[in-house]
Amino acid sequence: GAVVSQHPSRVICKSGTSVKIECRSLDFQATTMFWYRQFPKQSLMLMATSNEGSKATYEQGVEKDKFLINHASLTLSTLTVTSAHPEDSSFYICSARFLDRRGDGYTFGSGTRLTVV
Amino acid sequence: AQTVTQSQPEMSVQEAETVTLSCTYDTSESNYYLFWYKQPPSRQMILVIRQEAYKQQNATENRFSVNFQKAAKSFSLKISDSQLGDTAMYFCAFMNHVSGTYKYIFGTGTRLKVLA
Repeated sequence: GAVVSQHPSRVICKSGTSVKIECRSLDFQATTMFWYRQFPKQSLMLMATSNEGSKATYEQGVEKDKFLINHASLTLSTLTVTSAHPEDSSFYICSARFLDRRGDGYTFGSGTRLTVV
Repeated sequence: AQTVTQSQPEMSVQEAETVTLSCTYDTSESNYYLFWYKQPPSRQMILVIRQEAYKQQNATENRFSVNFQKAAKSFSLKISDSQLGDTAMYFCAFMNHVSGTYKYIFGTGTRLKVLA
């Protein structure tokens, strides 16, 4: 249980275009989802927290107009990288909160490698 | 501000042996969660084990167990009977949420190699 599907796994786009990454919870309702960025050989950095039906909360230093997050349903959150530039190239991972008999849990998508050329 | 420190960038262990990965954290909160995640080369983050701060009993999941020392703010992971498939990057993470605001902080990771 508690599976999150993230698509696409890899995307290459031209500088100046926008890219949308989807994160779906398959077997549970995810009221809260998280978006992370991971640089090579580094840890995960939380970019934003999204709650279904409300605006996302962005971490300090993350441009909300650059990284648009939409969490319109209990099973889907999307991250759109707008007007992408080469410095946006990175590995993006989503995560969703779930509850089970042991309490709070957080499951991750398989990540999206974005390359902006 | 909360911080998570993993002081061992790399470790190796012989197959079938036991290894302990260290993690310390700093927080002024009393209620929080601690996690260990495994990230193999596929880069899929896999939850290994979790611990709620108010629970004194150390969490265990099969070959994985933690030594949670709340006063010392230490949360080490012990892997028993290490297997080749345990080779991965391991991240320690701290999480708490207050009034709907989440703080989820990862350590810098420990790269573990299990040797045949």
